[in-house]
Parts: sequence; structure tokens; C-alpha cells
Amino acid sequence: DAKTTQPNSMESNEEEPVHLPCNHSTISGTDYIHWYRQLPSQGPEYVIHGLTSNVNNRMASLAIAEDRKSSTLILHRATLRDAAVYYCILGGRNSGNTPLVFGKGTRLSVIA
Amino acid sequence: NAGVTQTPKFQVLKTGQSMTLQCAQDMNHEYMSWYRQDPGMGLRLIHYSVGAGITDQGEVPNGYNVSRSTTEDFPLRLLSAAPSQTSVYFCASSYSPGRGASEKLFFGSGTQLSVL
Repeated sequence: DAKTTQPNSMESNEEEPVHLPCNHSTISGTDYIHWYRQLPSQGPEYVIHGLTSNVNNRMASLAIAEDRKSSTLILHRATLRDAAVYYCILGGRNSGNTPLVFGKGTRLSVIA
Repeated sequence: NAGVTQTPKFQVLKTGQSMTLQCAQDMNHEYMSWYRQDPGMGLRLIHYSVGAGITDQGEVPNGYNVSRSTTEDFPLRLLSAAPSQTSVYFCASSYSPGRGASEKLFFGSGTQLSVL
């Protein structure tokens, strides 16, 4: 899997938008961009994924750069429940059955 | 719908003891995997399985054994526990490897293991 780079930590005020960046300069044409998050004392949970176009779901939005070398996870209104570690992961079909590789992610703190 | 169930939630072992961490899923997923997470670290893959009777090693397989006799269950065995195996263990499942469209990984809530 291609490597991703994320900031170690970020802080946000409650009810404000949060933009979590991810760099993946070595991404290949068939790599999907996945985001998972891990709430305290829980297992990771799926947030969103995309290939080329921006994606929206009930949890978040994913903005993908035109050259696909970076992406941004957008939480439109941060709540205290969004405090978690967010993982940006690349998954490519060329890697066969090997599972996703989780890095250290970005620890998001939300301030009331 | 229970999803991915891991037992036990907590376990304390003495060095040299063996035990099995249980993982079961009720979503008819073919793909299952085990990760460990140490403090301040990301998840590291131990073993995975792409279907009943098929298993393969991940990044950190030493000291662990797995088998997959049914689609639903994927137990992880510690053969002779060591303090270095103190960690939180997560089991995950998906319809297929977590890549591409609609191939989400579903995780259990984890097992906190301490080896003294």
C-alpha cells in the first residue's frame, strides 16, 4: 500500500467545521482513499472512501485533489462525539488480498 | 444484528500461559483479520483469512496462531504468552479485502490483554 502522511493531532471548537488533511503523493491510479476513525476505547469504524470525485455521506465529506496526491476529510460541524483518531488509508486492488494498513492517524480534539 | 463480537473484553495472563481470543461475525463476511494496537500506535496486522480454510500472515505473526474452520469464527491463539504481547487486539471482517467500493471493514470492540 502507498504511504499516507497525516498530522499527529488537531484541535477544533465544537460546532465548527474541521478539515483533516492527508497527503499521499505516491498514490497509484487504482488506489482508493479510505477514512476510518477510532473513538476512545472502541474499534475503528468506517467513515468514507473515494477514488477521484468528492464524496458525501451522513458522517462527513471527502475532498480529493485533482492530482489525487492529497485529500481532506471534512466534518461539517464538529461535536464532542467526533473526538477520535482519524486514519487516512490507501487501498489498491493491485495489492491483492492484503488488508488495509493503518498508520498512526490524526488525533482530533474537540473543545466545548 | 451483532456484527463482530470479540470475547473476552479483558484478560490477564502469566508469562508462558496460552489462551484463545474469540472472534465471531454474523454478516456472512468471507474476509476476517486480526490486528493489535499498542499505546500511541496504529493497528498492526497479525493474521488474516480470505475464507474458511484459508489463512495468511500479516506484519507481526510470531507467537500467534489462527485457523478458520467456519465462515463465522476466526480465533486467535497465543501459544506461550510474553509481556511483549500486552496489547489491545481487534478483529475485523468484510465481504472482501477492505479496498475499493463497498468493501468496508467492520471491527469488534477489542480485547485488552495484559501479560505479566
